Amino acid sequence: GAGVSQSPSNKVTEKGKDVELRCDPISGHTALYWYRQSLGQGLEFLIYFQGNSAPDKSGLPSDRFSAERTGGSVSTLTIQRTQQEDSAVYLCASSSDGETQYFGPGTRLLVL
Amino acid sequence: AQKITQTQPGMFVQEKEAVTLDCTYDTSDPSYGLFWYKQPSSGEMIFLIYQGSYDQQNATEGRYSLNFQKARKSANLVISASQLGDSAMYFCATPIYNQGGKLIFGQGTELSVKP
Repeated sequence: GAGVSQSPSNKVTEKGKDVELRCDPISGHTALYWYRQSLGQGLEFLIYFQGNSAPDKSGLPSDRFSAERTGGSVSTLTIQRTQQEDSAVYLCASSSDGETQYFGPGTRLLVL
Repeated sequence: AQKITQTQPGMFVQEKEAVTLDCTYDTSDPSYGLFWYKQPSSGEMIFLIYQGSYDQQNATEGRYSLNFQKARKSANLVISASQLGDSAMYFCATPIYNQGGKLIFGQGTELSVKP
């Protein structure tokens, strides 16, 4: 079956612009996670959605970052007023059993 | 708090030989799990193998096996008969179960397989 998909695969933006990153989880997976991978910080958890429960936003680095998940499926991560330190690979993962997370190919964000 | 440590930034192995990638963990939870993921240059994180703390046997998946030693708090990945396509970054991770299973990752090990 189809895996986790993410779009765009690459995004170049100017400092101060807003960006939206999209994640399509594996069909039927109730849990969805966003992570960020950067050279200096490694892999960091950002936010977690489980069904209709309130999301765990504990990993979001600032209030410029937000995410939503519509209809329990597709998720959008929004970064407002991007900064150069936001440059990273943003990875989305989904899980059905609360155990194994399956990742998408990531979105490479470059803020100039 | 959970912590994963991978002390080998880079490793080389000859094609067809076996290689062990180290991972040590620190957790106070009585029940925990360890994952290994592979990240090739394309960037996607590929699930390889999982070991639960209560599993009696070491996990195996094809050429991958997990050398799980609870007393040493280590969960090393063993890749047998290395192939050129095994060249990639490898990450060890553990979920925080009371926080939705979010993963805590180690720093990763870059494996290079020589022909």
